[in-house]
Amino acid sequence: EVQLVESGGVVVQPGGSLRLSCAASGFSFDEYAMHWVRQAPGKSLEWVSLISHEGDSTHYADSVKGRFTISRDNSKNFLYLQMNSLTSEDTALYYCAKDVRHYTSSPGNFDYWGQGTLVTVSS
Amino acid sequence: EIVLTQSPATLSLSPGERATLSCRASQSVAIFLAWYQQKPGQAPRLLIYDASTRATGIPARFSGSGSGTDFTLTISSLEPEDFAIYYCQQRSDWPPGLTFGGGTRVEIK
Repeated sequence: EVQLVESGGVVVQPGGSLRLSCAASGFSFDEYAMHWVRQAPGKSLEWVSLISHEGDSTHYADSVKGRFTISRDNSKNFLYLQMNSLTSEDTALYYCAKDVRHYTSSPGNFDYWGQGTLVTVSS
Repeated sequence: EIVLTQSPATLSLSPGERATLSCRASQSVAIFLAWYQQKPGQAPRLLIYDASTRATGIPARFSGSGSGTDFTLTISSLEPEDFAIYYCQQRSDWPPGLTFGGGTRVEIK
């Protein structure tokens, strides 16, 4: 059974930093691209970032480019999101999501999601 | 950035009725459109990708159609568990600017 479990969400002050983690199990983690997707309270979904299955290619939404860094450890089956220079607009539930395609060079759909970890940016 | 506009915002139907949800893209996304279902307090669930391919384990009452800029998700006969919010999502932009629509809420009439 595929499981994705996020952690690391807390209340942080504007300008602060945070690292989110996602523990993956139940599938060959190193064979799939992985994503972070966020959802502000009462709002739609926003894709944040993706990392290729080998970790050698990363992409970001314009809203987080230059502030967030995605990474992965395929030896430990973990996905990470380092978040810097946080603002109130980053307040959201952050989901870790697995790409639906195997070994793909064009990822972009999400077939398994964690339950999310809540990041609140507030003074 | 490709903008996805979903309509209607809310759809009020009874169990057993047919639901037709629309998603329109601001420019062509070919067939690279997906649909997700989200229930309160739960993570989204992938229903359809590449416009018409059902994801693993998705019942046949869910079907997707369309290409270019106009897409439809059809639920042939609503079950009680189908009342939820539905989002469309495109992956046409590359490098990816993956975007979601604003959602359609399907509620019990």
